[in-house]
Amino acid sequence: DAGVIQSPRHEVTEMGQEVTLRCKPISGHNSLFWYRQTMMRGLELLIYFNNNVPIDDSGMPEDRFSAKMPNASFSTLKIQPSEPRDSAVYFCASTWTKNQPQHFGDGTRLSIL
Amino acid sequence: RKEVEQDPGPFNVPEGATVAFNCTYSNSASQSFFWYRQDCRKEPKLLMSVYSSGNEDGRFTAQLNRASQYISLLIRDSKLSDSATYLCVGHNAGNMLTFGGGTRLMVKP
Repeated sequence: DAGVIQSPRHEVTEMGQEVTLRCKPISGHNSLFWYRQTMMRGLELLIYFNNNVPIDDSGMPEDRFSAKMPNASFSTLKIQPSEPRDSAVYFCASTWTKNQPQHFGDGTRLSIL
Repeated sequence: RKEVEQDPGPFNVPEGATVAFNCTYSNSASQSFFWYRQDCRKEPKLLMSVYSSGNEDGRFTAQLNRASQYISLLIRDSKLSDSATYLCVGHNAGNMLTFGGGTRLMVKP
């Protein structure tokens, strides 16, 4: 079975550019999560979708960040404009319900210069 | 105070040693707990769920202590390949699963 698929694996871009991260959850999973991981702050939940609807976006740092889930098999996390402090590894995870173990994608390593 | 807290370590142990990590949680209503393992530059992967009665999987044992609000992970006969960061997961006040900061384990020959 395919796991959670994220793209791109790596992204290097200059500050001010728009960045779009993509995620395909495991088929049949109803809950999708976007996380950001840094050495300083660890793994932080950014936003959680259930049945394609954003339920909790309290972790989204600011208006520069937005996330969508247009259907059950695809989600995007967009940063516009990007800043150097956004450099981190961004993980997408999915599960059947929010209290079940989450399955993570390989992550996107984002570097903003 | 973080809702799920772990000692960041690192724990440096020799091969073959037994090592234990604890993780405290603040939401007494938490129902689900898990341990994840994360290797360097990789994604977190589920290691094991933590049941009220405790559970064992080979060299790994997970325990839950509700009275003191902590979960533990015991690794027996540690291997070099056990070197990783171990993340515990519990619930926050909003009943969302939340990850601790991780405990780094380094097993040395």
